[in-house]
Amino acid sequence: GENVEQHPSTLSVQEGDSAVIKCTYSDSASNYFPWYKQELGKRPQLIIDIRSNVGEKKDQRIAVTLNKTAKHFSLHITETQPEDSAVYFCAASKGTGFQKLVFGTGTRLLVSP
Amino acid sequence: SQTIHQWPATLVQPVGSPLSLECTVEGTSNPNLYWYRQAAGRGLQLLFYSVGIGQISSEVPQNLSASRPQDRQFILSSKKLLLSDSGFYLCAWNGISQETQYFGPGTRLLVL
Repeated sequence: GENVEQHPSTLSVQEGDSAVIKCTYSDSASNYFPWYKQELGKRPQLIIDIRSNVGEKKDQRIAVTLNKTAKHFSLHITETQPEDSAVYFCAASKGTGFQKLVFGTGTRLLVSP
Repeated sequence: SQTIHQWPATLVQPVGSPLSLECTVEGTSNPNLYWYRQAAGRGLQLLFYSVGIGQISSEVPQNLSASRPQDRQFILSSKKLLLSDSGFYLCAWNGISQETQYFGPGTRLLVL
């Protein structure tokens, strides 16, 4: 089955710096890759996603890139702010409708003022 | 618009007691429904999923069970709780033609 590895497990940056979180997946049939942000004590919330027919997607300060050949995808956050501090999870799945999301182990991002 | 509810929000239960957590979705029909557990400081573990009424699939053998008595209702149960059942229980849903899963607010369970 699918396996998703996520690095780093913790990431500390200064406000205004960029942050990059990387994930690799094992199943070449996976075609949907969402990223969730989970603030302390809250539910995971989708922040951006990418499908396998696209190499990059941006939404303001957040971008995701996908390399299907290498089977890895990354989350890029520019101009980080303290409110970006949270745990970020990547995931992978295949198909629409019923599909199992396989999650990475999470990255704790701390943005210091 | 669609919304997902979970209750209770928090629960403290003694070891050996029963459990019933409820999840309901509004604003959609025939959703796929999922139960996840998140141990403190850990990742998300898929416990059960359901593609329709009465249809339950289990991902991990354990002390828990799930039921889907109505289209938009998903229940997580246990007859006897263990200490290891403590955690943050999240319900999620997605539409039949959608890929994205959306999570409910969660139930924080502490077994003492």
